[in-house]
Amino acid sequence: ILNVEQSPQSLHVQEGDSTNFTCSFPSSNFYALHWYRWETAKSPEALFVMTLNGDEKKKGRISATLNTKEGYSYLYIKGSQPEDSATYLCASGHGGSQGNLIFGKGTKLSVKP
Amino acid sequence: GAVVSQHPSRVICKSGTSVKIECRSLDFQATTMFWYRQFPKQSLMLMATSNEGSKATYEQGVEKDKFLINHASLTLSTLTVTSAHPEDSSFYICSATRVVGRHEQFFGPGTRLTVL
Repeated sequence: ILNVEQSPQSLHVQEGDSTNFTCSFPSSNFYALHWYRWETAKSPEALFVMTLNGDEKKKGRISATLNTKEGYSYLYIKGSQPEDSATYLCASGHGGSQGNLIFGKGTKLSVKP
Repeated sequence: GAVVSQHPSRVICKSGTSVKIECRSLDFQATTMFWYRQFPKQSLMLMATSNEGSKATYEQGVEKDKFLINHASLTLSTLTVTSAHPEDSSFYICSATRVVGRHEQFFGPGTRLTVL
């Protein structure tokens, strides 16, 4: 059974702090790694899709890296703001582009002003 | 672009009744739609994958006669929970893809189902 693990489960930081979370995924038959941002009562919003070992993506203050050999991805947020408060989901795809996504349980981030 | 709506957002029903949830892609044609379920403090778990005009593919352990999926057009998929029971109470969320074979999924906001 393929499993995706995210840590920490939850995180409380002060406005202005930088933070990072981890997503661990099975390396076998890996195809793609997705990060989503999910605010309460809204739709999960796609942040990044990465496929190659060493990939790094950036969107504003948020960036992500990918290590497919060891099966992990980091998501970084620089200078956290209250509007960054959300649950961050990662999902890995295996078995090619036709394969399904396996989701982690998410990391819930709370940023205090 | 790539907005997915889901209706209703919340539903409470009596045990034994059926509930229909709609998932619509508002500004694109969805080649594939997915239905997920999330129990408290758990991951999103894929229930089924549906393509327009064909039968849905259900994941292991998901009863196809209980969770009826209809994908009649490129912009609409429905999930009907038949003869709902309290153990079916969960958060149901759909997603859609724009391009065949691509993993990029666009999600609806989800439906909270409570069966009394």
